Amino acid sequence: ETGVTQTPRHLVMGMTNKKSLKCEQHLGHNAMYWYKQSAKKPLELMFVYSLEERVENNSVPSRFSPECPNSSHLFLHLHTLQPEDSALYLCASSQEKRTSGANVLTFGAGSRLTVL
Amino acid sequence: AQSVTQPDIHITVSEGASLELRCNYSYGATPYLFWYVQSPGQGLQLLLKYFSGDTLVQGIKGFEAEFKRSQSSFNLRKPSVHWSDAAEYFCAVGARNTDKLIFGTGTRLQVFP
Repeated sequence: ETGVTQTPRHLVMGMTNKKSLKCEQHLGHNAMYWYKQSAKKPLELMFVYSLEERVENNSVPSRFSPECPNSSHLFLHLHTLQPEDSALYLCASSQEKRTSGANVLTFGAGSRLTVL
Repeated sequence: AQSVTQPDIHITVSEGASLELRCNYSYGATPYLFWYVQSPGQGLQLLLKYFSGDTLVQGIKGFEAEFKRSQSSFNLRKPSVHWSDAAEYFCAVGARNTDKLIFGTGTRLQVFP
């Protein structure tokens, strides 16, 4: 496989469930990102990991918990979500070790989350 | 803080027609500028970027964009649209002194045969 792979592609969960989104990049990149994409809103950066260390957490609620066990894998653990958390969650990676406004991002196809 | 505006939410063109998608930004200096495209069911793919130098940049799939400092714009153009260009297009602005990358709300392009 090449590029950035996200699983599952679709997820429906209740407000009390615990689930995880998985992202894997096969590009040898050094930084990985979680974005939230909601209709009619700009992409929202949630988390950034560079060389497996979290470098940014944009005031994301604690019901979202990221994990980056190595430079190729990124998880987003979900717990006690709200209906307004329903969105497309995009994973991305970039080659640069230092996050910068110049970083070129390679995105996965996303995980469509529906919270009932 | 930087911001980016894509004034057109939805654009419809006929196949073979020319296309221009607008992007305006607000930033105190020359930013890094990007256009990404998102096809249905897919993630975002980089079309082109501007960092410095020639203000007219060429990208993939026959797209180009022109940086106009005086207008704070980075409009995306294509001389002849193909049906496969139907997608959502996102302009993004990166700050030179931070790691912030701000995306616009996107423009949905519909192409009629």
